[in-house]
Amino acid sequence: EAQVTQNPRYLITVTGKKLTVTCSQNMNHEYMSWYRQDPGLGLRQIYYSMNVEVTDKGDVPEGYKVSRKEKRNFPLILESPSPNQTSLYFCASSQRPGSLEQYFGPGTRLTVT
Amino acid sequence: GENVEQHPSTLSVQEGDSAVIKCTYSDSASNYFPWYKQELGKRPQLIIDIRSNVGEKKDQRIAVTLNKTAKHFSLHITETQPEDSAVYFCAGGTASKLTFGTGTRLQVTL
Repeated sequence: EAQVTQNPRYLITVTGKKLTVTCSQNMNHEYMSWYRQDPGLGLRQIYYSMNVEVTDKGDVPEGYKVSRKEKRNFPLILESPSPNQTSLYFCASSQRPGSLEQYFGPGTRLTVT
Repeated sequence: GENVEQHPSTLSVQEGDSAVIKCTYSDSASNYFPWYKQELGKRPQLIIDIRSNVGEKKDQRIAVTLNKTAKHFSLHITETQPEDSAVYFCAGGTASKLTFGTGTRLQVTL
């Protein structure tokens, strides 16, 4: 089954404690992207990756890091989380940018206290 | 950078009526405009898109229009059904880098 998986699905953590949210896809897609969703603000793109070792900033990259060492994985790293990073995070993938066949992960709800 | 504004924030229509959601963008270099549907508690779903070399695109009951001169684009849903109830997001930018609108909550009433 074609899918994008994210782990963990829910996380409550404290300010400053490094964390990683994993994203994995099984469709050999080249393009992957991270978004955060906040009430009243909609979706905002954090980082995206066109292929292995190729990553670039979206609209809100501050406080986040990503890596793309393998095609299937695109982890989101918060090295020193702060309360303003409390949000719902989605990972998505598609064979190429702008493909209508875009798959979103189930989301990760992160709370930073 | 790009700035995308979306209106209205909420929209209520009766089943069978049409719904129109409008977005404006600021960056004339933007060339890709997708629309997403998000049902309550679920992940977003890309439902239709339009590129800057096209003025209109239709897929069954949904259509999108783009006016590059005025920098605005719209989503049109005809013959609305209860299952169309969701939050809809527009976005603009390039295919790889997108800025989203703040969403429109569409309620289709019986």
